[in-house]
Amino acid sequence: NAGVTQTPKFRVLKTGQSMTLLCAQDMNHEYMYWYRQDPGMGLRLIHYSVGEGTTAKGEVPDGYNVSRLKKQNFLLGLESAAPSQTSVYFCASRGKTMGLGEYEQFFGPGTRLTVL
Amino acid sequence: KNQVEQSPQSLIILEGKNCTLQCNYTVSPFSNLRWYKQDTGRGPVSLTIMTFSENTKSNGRYTATLDADTKQSSLHITASQLSDSASYICVVREYSSASKIIFGSGTRLSIRP
Repeated sequence: NAGVTQTPKFRVLKTGQSMTLLCAQDMNHEYMYWYRQDPGMGLRLIHYSVGEGTTAKGEVPDGYNVSRLKKQNFLLGLESAAPSQTSVYFCASRGKTMGLGEYEQFFGPGTRLTVL
Repeated sequence: KNQVEQSPQSLIILEGKNCTLQCNYTVSPFSNLRWYKQDTGRGPVSLTIMTFSENTKSNGRYTATLDADTKQSSLHITASQLSDSASYICVVREYSSASKIIFGSGTRLSIRP
């Protein structure tokens, strides 16, 4: 099991360029998440998905789009990158639970994105 | 506003020494609290999880405590090792259908030989 993988690991963009970050999980998890991590701040949720074909906005969704065409993949897109989107991006996944039962999020290794 | 505050922001200790990291939260209603370890350049990995009815939980040399009345948690590391150098993140989950998760900004721990 590879767990949660992310590609690419590093990327440098110029302002206005677009790119897609790919997250893949092999644990058959229903839920997938995209976070960004900035210095001095906790992880902030960008978008999430509760199942194939569904997506929802998180805390900081502006400037990002996502797609979940396949259960195992969750894509994060930046249509027109801005310097404020310079960050480390983490993908996470978790299994489906009944009611309010506990679960654990499994995180990928992160993608370090710099926008010049 | 639901918040999770961690202290100190950073800490340096000598190998073999003990240390305690703090987490204060205002999340309500409270469901559970989890401590994560995040190595440099890696994603967070869960260390412990506690619900409101649990006061302490251990995972090897890591012991987490929870006081749900004062909304405080601590993570105690015993006999630190170089491999303990990492960021430690406190994460609190709301007790609601939305199940919102709030991340602390972490404590950066450095172990010196």
